Amino acid sequence: DAGVIQSPRHEVTEMGQEVTLRCKPISGHDYLFWYRQTMMRGLELLIYFNNNVPIDDSGMPEDRFSAKMPNASFSTLKIQPSEPRDSAVYFCASSLYPLGTQYFGPGTRLLVL
Amino acid sequence: KQEVTQIPAALSVPEGENLVLNCSFTDSAIYNLQWFRQDPGKGLTSLLLIQSSQREQTSGRLNASLDKSSGRSTLYIAASQPGDSATYLCAVRPSGGTSYGKLTFGQGTILTVHP
Repeated sequence: DAGVIQSPRHEVTEMGQEVTLRCKPISGHDYLFWYRQTMMRGLELLIYFNNNVPIDDSGMPEDRFSAKMPNASFSTLKIQPSEPRDSAVYFCASSLYPLGTQYFGPGTRLLVL
Repeated sequence: KQEVTQIPAALSVPEGENLVLNCSFTDSAIYNLQWFRQDPGKGLTSLLLIQSSQREQTSGRLNASLDKSSGRSTLYIAASQPGDSATYLCAVRPSGGTSYGKLTFGQGTILTVHP
């Protein structure tokens, strides 16, 4: 298996623009997680899905952030409008079991100017 | 609110040394604890997952212990190698409720093993 796939790997955009991050989980994994990593706050869970349904979105910072999972093999994290403080590395992870090991993608490094 | 602390923040050792990384958490109501490795510019790789009912887990040169009641875990690395250089993160998962998927991470320990 190719592992968790994320695109793009790097994104540079200007404040106010819409940003869409994409994730393909490992085939057969029913759980998908979106994380954000910054120097100040470390690694934080934003939202996670089970069988394409959002279970806990309490980590989503504000209404500018939204996440969808239209099918078992694809998820998006959208920021609209983007702000400089959104600059971070965004990771997607998936797992087979709810309490099992999470497998992380390589991340998307986002810079908002 | 669960808080996870890792000490030390950074560690530099010569090749061949045995070393210990520490992780502490404030809420002992956890289901399991996981140790990850992160290489610069890369994602996280799971090293060991230890259930709350377990005392330790071993994989090769790595050994993780868990003392749930005191809120502590250690990662022991034997005979360290330059290839072990990375950031090591611990994460805890709460028991019960809909937060079961929510890992809370420490800030990590940056390990450098020099030849």
